[in-house]
Amino acid sequence: LAKTTQPISMDSYEGQEVNITCSHNNIATNDYITWYQQFPSQGPRFIIQGYKTKVTNEVASLFIPADRKSSTLSLPRVSLSDTAVYYCLVGDPGYSSASKIIFGSGTRLSIRP
Amino acid sequence: ETGVTQSPTHLIKTRGQQVTLRCSSQSGHNTVSWYQQALGQGPQFIFQYYREEENGRGNFPPRFSGLQFPNYSSELNVNALELDDSALYLCASSLVLAGTTEAFFGQGTRLTVV
Repeated sequence: LAKTTQPISMDSYEGQEVNITCSHNNIATNDYITWYQQFPSQGPRFIIQGYKTKVTNEVASLFIPADRKSSTLSLPRVSLSDTAVYYCLVGDPGYSSASKIIFGSGTRLSIRP
Repeated sequence: ETGVTQSPTHLIKTRGQQVTLRCSSQSGHNTVSWYQQALGQGPQFIFQYYREEENGRGNFPPRFSGLQFPNYSSELNVNALELDDSALYLCASSLVLAGTTEAFFGQGTRLTVV
């Protein structure tokens, strides 16, 4: 399973765009990149998943360069409620690989007024 | 609201006791995974069940065991509890399909071992 590296913590202000970068140098051909958000005493919540280039949904964008050795989660116009821990995960979603969702330490994002 | 429910929400046990935690998966999901999350750390993978069979296990001793039932609900059993077993236990259900790893997590069970 590809190991991921992301900043331990980040601070920003309401209304700003926040970009969290994750390194995954050993990503395999079949691996997808997935981001989860977790609030204190709650289970993680799926944010976005991608394989290459750019993926966008109603809450975030995910940018993946051609070599796929890193990825960037972009949160537009953050609010106080975006204060949480964000996890970057890499793995093969197919059953045949029996890969599991393996979490790292995550990035603790703090949003200030 | 993820459709995944865990019970109980909080639990206090004494060292050496046994505990059973329960998880009701989201409707239609055939895979359930269990995680242990210590304070300030990321969730650690315990094991996964797919169609009632264990489908992989993390670095946890045999006293951590599980079951998945025909209705895809699941149990996590921990024997001979130790103080370090105090953590938030998370259950996640998913439907294994090529191209997606979206898992839906429950709110967790906070286990305290004293």
